Amino acid sequence: GEDVEQSLFLSVREGDSSVINCTYTDSSSTYLYWYKQEPGAGLQLLTYIFSNMDMKQDQRLTVLLNKKDKHLSLRIADTQTGDSAIYFCAEKRDTGRRALTFGSGTRLQVQP
Amino acid sequence: SAVISQKPSRDICQRGTSLTIQCQVDSQVTMMFWYRQQPGQSLTLIATANQGSEATYESGFVIDKFPISRPNLTFSTLTVSNMSPEDSSIYLCSVEILGEQYFGPGTRLTVT
Repeated sequence: GEDVEQSLFLSVREGDSSVINCTYTDSSSTYLYWYKQEPGAGLQLLTYIFSNMDMKQDQRLTVLLNKKDKHLSLRIADTQTGDSAIYFCAEKRDTGRRALTFGSGTRLQVQP
Repeated sequence: SAVISQKPSRDICQRGTSLTIQCQVDSQVTMMFWYRQQPGQSLTLIATANQGSEATYESGFVIDKFPISRPNLTFSTLTVSNMSPEDSSIYLCSVEILGEQYFGPGTRLTVT
């Protein structure tokens, strides 16, 4: 997990936007993913972005990729209490090894 | 997308025993992955399992401790052998389909 870093905790108020950040070190990353994990549950794939893209939007979710700085962010618009969870970013590297390298996860707490 | 099921969903086992976890996918996939998520931690890849060949293990994981079977394109098993309390984790299987990686719900293992 040291190659993919995330802040551990983020607290926002309901209705605000949340921005979860992630940095990675391997320039050969081809895909970058965001997963959501609710307490006691498995991982839900939220979205992913190809490394040749700068931005991807999907309803309330916006992913921004700065390949030069190796920085990935996930913006959640109009954050709801149901968005409270741990969010993991993950990268897939262009090495033939198709498994993912995960960050440590960011716990998002949404306050009513 | 893919629907992945795992059995059992959870188990409590005594040290020194073994547990086999099953992973079933609703479509044929070439590569399946097994990850471990220790309490409060991120995901760590245990091994990659291709149908018809030996599993490839990551550093720190060995076949004697975590034997894997991959008898066909929709099914795999992971055995946790000679368990100790340090093996208490969530074990997740994962597949890749068209660049998207999906995870099963996980098997929560507690070793006493």
